[in-house]
Amino acid sequence: GESVGLHLPTLSVQEGDNSIINCAYSNSASDYFIWYKQESGKGPQFIIDIRSNMDKRQGQRVTVLLNKTVKHLSLQIAATQPGDSAVYFCAVPGSGSARQLTFGSGTQLTVLP
Amino acid sequence: DGGITQSPKYLFRKEGQNVTLSCEQNLNHDAMYWYRQDPGQGLRLIYYSQIVNDFQKGDIAEGYSVSREKKESFPLTVTSAQKNPTAFYLCASSIGGPAYEQYFGPGTRLTVT
Repeated sequence: GESVGLHLPTLSVQEGDNSIINCAYSNSASDYFIWYKQESGKGPQFIIDIRSNMDKRQGQRVTVLLNKTVKHLSLQIAATQPGDSAVYFCAVPGSGSARQLTFGSGTQLTVLP
Repeated sequence: DGGITQSPKYLFRKEGQNVTLSCEQNLNHDAMYWYRQDPGQGLRLIYYSQIVNDFQKGDIAEGYSVSREKKESFPLTVTSAQKNPTAFYLCASSIGGPAYEQYFGPGTRLTVT
């Protein structure tokens, strides 16, 4: 089955710096990727998605980069703010007929003052 | 406001009792999902439903049951057969199948003692 892993369980950055959160996936046929943000005690919130026909997609202060060659995607957050402190998950559809999303275990981002 | 509601936010039960978690959405989404989240782990799929009166088991369906009598509602019952029911339960919905952006509710934290 599909597996999704994040490279670091925790990440601390200074307020104002850029943050980069990484995710690796196993299925080379994966064609859709989603990043979610989850604040403590709340449900995950959609941040940005990207399809496999793109290498890069930008949102407001966030950029997702997709490298299909090495099956890796990253989420970049520009000018990180205290409100960005949360757990960040990537999610990838599986290879089965139902294509269920498989979620990574998450990276806890802490923004330091 | 459109969205997904889950109730209650916190739930306490004695071991051996069945308990039903509520999930309602007014987004007119066809598909609904239940996930379980344990500390430091990603989301694991319990059950999903792509249409009224139909649902499928996810990766960890044992000890759980669901119903989908209405498009808006997808209640989850945690039965006494679930060996380790204490967890954070998240409901989600999507306009299409699983490989589309899923919108999450705020979650229910269930504690069984």
